[in-house]
Amino acid sequence: EAGVAQSPRYKIIEKRQSVAFWCNPISGHATLYWYQQILGQGPKLLIQFQNNGVVDDSQLPKDRFSAERLKGVDSTLKIQPAKLEDSAVYLCASSTRLSNYGYTFGSGTRLTVV
Amino acid sequence: AQSVTQPDIHITVSEGASLELRCNYSYGATPYLFWYVQSPGQGLQLLLKYFSGDTLVQGIKGFEAEFKRSQSSFNLRKPSVHWSDAAEYFCAVGDQYGNKLVFGAGTILRVKS
Repeated sequence: EAGVAQSPRYKIIEKRQSVAFWCNPISGHATLYWYQQILGQGPKLLIQFQNNGVVDDSQLPKDRFSAERLKGVDSTLKIQPAKLEDSAVYLCASSTRLSNYGYTFGSGTRLTVV
Repeated sequence: AQSVTQPDIHITVSEGASLELRCNYSYGATPYLFWYVQSPGQGLQLLLKYFSGDTLVQGIKGFEAEFKRSQSSFNLRKPSVHWSDAAEYFCAVGDQYGNKLVFGAGTILRVKS
């Protein structure tokens, strides 16, 4: 099966600019997650979708981050305006109960804010 | 809420030697536990998972992990390390549905020849 697709792979922006990341999960996976991985740390959950509804966004900095999953398939994560501390790898993952737990991760988008 | 501690930031082992990476978790109910590996510039690859049954779990690439409830541990082991195993390893704990994974800070494995 095809994996989780993310784009772009790399992005460099100046602080206060906006940026968007795209994720296409594995076909049929109802649950989609966005994680933020700062250098030297483990991934941290930002938001979880079940189909096109938000299940948990308690750790999403909503003053600058937003995410949507229209039609319950692809998802976009946006940052506006970006801060230096947003420099990180943004990972998308998807899962289904049929996969007997465990996520499949994409390769991530590496964001550098200068 | 669940949490994970990986006490070792870096570990160096010789090729062919055995490996054990430590993981301690905190969760009030039956944990769902995972080990992932991340090579530089790559996403996370699932090595193995535990959610019930036999406490010794076999994974891919010759890795295994043992769940010890009394010690709140889920240590990863491999009997003979290969140079290609050099990477960063993350332990994670999920909620009662296996969702909302919380990751440890990771252990960087270096393999010397």
